[in-house]
Amino acid sequence: DVKVTQSSRYLVKRTGEKVFLECVQDMDHENMFWYRQDPGLGLRLIYFSYDVKMKEKGDIPEGYSVSREKKERFSLILESASTNQTSMYLCASSGLRGSGANVLTFGAGSRLTVL
Amino acid sequence: AQKVTQAQTEISVVEKEDVTLDCVYETRDTTYYLFWYKQPPSGELVFLIRRNSFDEQNEISGRYSWNFQKSTSSFNFTITASQVVDSAVYFCALSGFSNDYKLSFGAGTTVTVRA
Repeated sequence: DVKVTQSSRYLVKRTGEKVFLECVQDMDHENMFWYRQDPGLGLRLIYFSYDVKMKEKGDIPEGYSVSREKKERFSLILESASTNQTSMYLCASSGLRGSGANVLTFGAGSRLTVL
Repeated sequence: AQKVTQAQTEISVVEKEDVTLDCVYETRDTTYYLFWYKQPPSGELVFLIRRNSFDEQNEISGRYSWNFQKSTSSFNFTITASQVVDSAVYFCALSGFSNDYKLSFGAGTTVTVRA
């Protein structure tokens, strides 16, 4: 069964802490994404990566960075967590551009609370 | 700019009732894709359907059906004879052909099916 696995389901952090959210996919997908989900706002794209070491900003990249050192792993980093980053974070992946590139497979999400 | 509007925030029905979820979109692209995803309480978004703008045929898959009307920029989703397992948040999404891996999501509609 193909999967996107997010390492932490629930996290509680303090303001100013550095936070790492990890995501691993086992489908050999080229594209990986980090979305943020908030009530009433749906999903908003933070960053995506179309290849190892390649990344592009999404719609709301401020306050976040990403790392993709290996094809299967895509990390989201909050350099200095703030309370307005309390949210559900969803990782997704997809195959090459073309017919399958925009059919995303999602992980179960990481719910982050920043106190 | 692309925009997806799901005006219904929450819908509550009794089992076996039909439920229709509305989705209205805005895009300047002449060709594009439309999607529906389901997010059950477990949190993982599940892909339901992708439709490209060339194909305005309605689609039925079991108890699910989709009505795409380009003239009104709508892509509505109907669940026939709803079941408790249909309780979830449903998201409509849109992507262009040129950057087809970037999806714009609506705010989501929460469907509750009561036994």
